[in-house]
Amino acid sequence: TQLLEQSPQFLSIQEGENLTVYCNSSSVFSSLQWYRQEPGEGPVLLVTVVTGGEVKKLKRLTFQFGDARKDSSLHITAAQPGDTGLYLCAGAQGFQKLVFGTGTRLLVSP
Amino acid sequence: GAVVSQHPSWVICKSGTSVKIECRSLDFQATTMFWYRQFPKQSLMLMATSNEGSKATYEQGVEKDKFLINHASLTLSTLTVTSAHPEDSSFYICSAAPGYSGNTIYFGEGSWLTVV
Repeated sequence: TQLLEQSPQFLSIQEGENLTVYCNSSSVFSSLQWYRQEPGEGPVLLVTVVTGGEVKKLKRLTFQFGDARKDSSLHITAAQPGDTGLYLCAGAQGFQKLVFGTGTRLLVSP
Repeated sequence: GAVVSQHPSWVICKSGTSVKIECRSLDFQATTMFWYRQFPKQSLMLMATSNEGSKATYEQGVEKDKFLINHASLTLSTLTVTSAHPEDSSFYICSAAPGYSGNTIYFGEGSWLTVV
């Protein structure tokens, strides 16, 4: 059973557009992480959010953790082709154990 | 930074045979490692928690007799897929974290298994 649902599942946009990916759950997590994964490679950590309502910015990426620590969003401003990849949210269940979301596949065309 | 390495990166085996995948923490000790499986165009699904010196903890629906996990040292966990079948073909990824890292978890590069 996948505890974290991401939407949309797939997103195809043009370079320069903005987008938001959502990660929703009925469970509360002690922290939530966002990863990006390239084909044939392991996921790479983008950010960890811990506090309800927390907002973190990483250049053109903005991450928000819901007040109740059940949901999160990732907003990308002015997307670039290099942003193409699989974006995964992951909730922490205990020390080091992660439950991954269903994933959002992003394609940014020039 | 901390590195987790997997070997082999890819392997092809015949149906019915067994194949072993290694996960090593190169510059830190890990009492706990995790094994994930990822089918094409899908997310990572946690298979089991590998515990150094004790039995692995398997997630619901994962056959412990088919996916044997051995965590014999603080830097090495192995996943053996026994009597592999084509439906076991997948991308297998491990993760580990040093005790001092807080929430930072490091993933291996992944291992592609193709069963023919």
